[in-house]
Amino acid sequence: SQQGEEDPQALSIQEGENATMNCSYKTSINNLQWYRQNSGRGLVHLILIRSNEREKHSGRLRVTLDTSKKSSSLLITASRAADTASYFCATGQGAQKLVFGQGTRLTINP
Amino acid sequence: ETGVTQSPTHLIKTRGQQVTLRCSSQSGHNTVSWYQQALGQGPQFIFQYYREEENGRGNFPPRFSGLQFPNYSSELNVNALELDDSALYLCASSLQRAGSTDTQYFGPGTRLTVL
Repeated sequence: SQQGEEDPQALSIQEGENATMNCSYKTSINNLQWYRQNSGRGLVHLILIRSNEREKHSGRLRVTLDTSKKSSSLLITASRAADTASYFCATGQGAQKLVFGQGTRLTINP
Repeated sequence: ETGVTQSPTHLIKTRGQQVTLRCSSQSGHNTVSWYQQALGQGPQFIFQYYREEENGRGNFPPRFSGLQFPNYSSELNVNALELDDSALYLCASSLQRAGSTDTQYFGPGTRLTVL
């Protein structure tokens, strides 16, 4: 079963706009990670935020984590056509596995 | 590029057959995890190998098995294939330390179709 739930399931915006995706989870975590997947191929790691961190930046990406609400958000600023992909949050539990949500399908329209 | 490779890219099998999927991890990584991703879903954890020993398993039956070798290669074996085994199979390598799930680097996946 999947722990994380991404919201929305699909998002379509114009190039240059900002895109925000949300993730909720159920159990305590070590960290939360965001991945991107293009066209059903391998996942590309975007950013990892640890449970004792609240916000993290990487280029045009900004991730927040609220452990009291068991939620995270991913903001992509100044979106580009190349950002079109599926985005997954994954919670790190112990030393073993990542538990993924079902993903948000992001489409950037030119 | 993550430095993780998988073979083959695509594979077609029939129900009841057996299949072996291969993965080559990043040099220096001591952990490999395997995930199954059905169409339209997020990846589901199958199992993880740490220093050549199984180190955790998801909700998959024993006909899913694996091996990890000292040369950073690993295998996922599936016996008695069922139609529902059709999926994208992803391996991910990582350097496990201090009992924490660190960044996992994914290969491009093997698309398995069971007819």
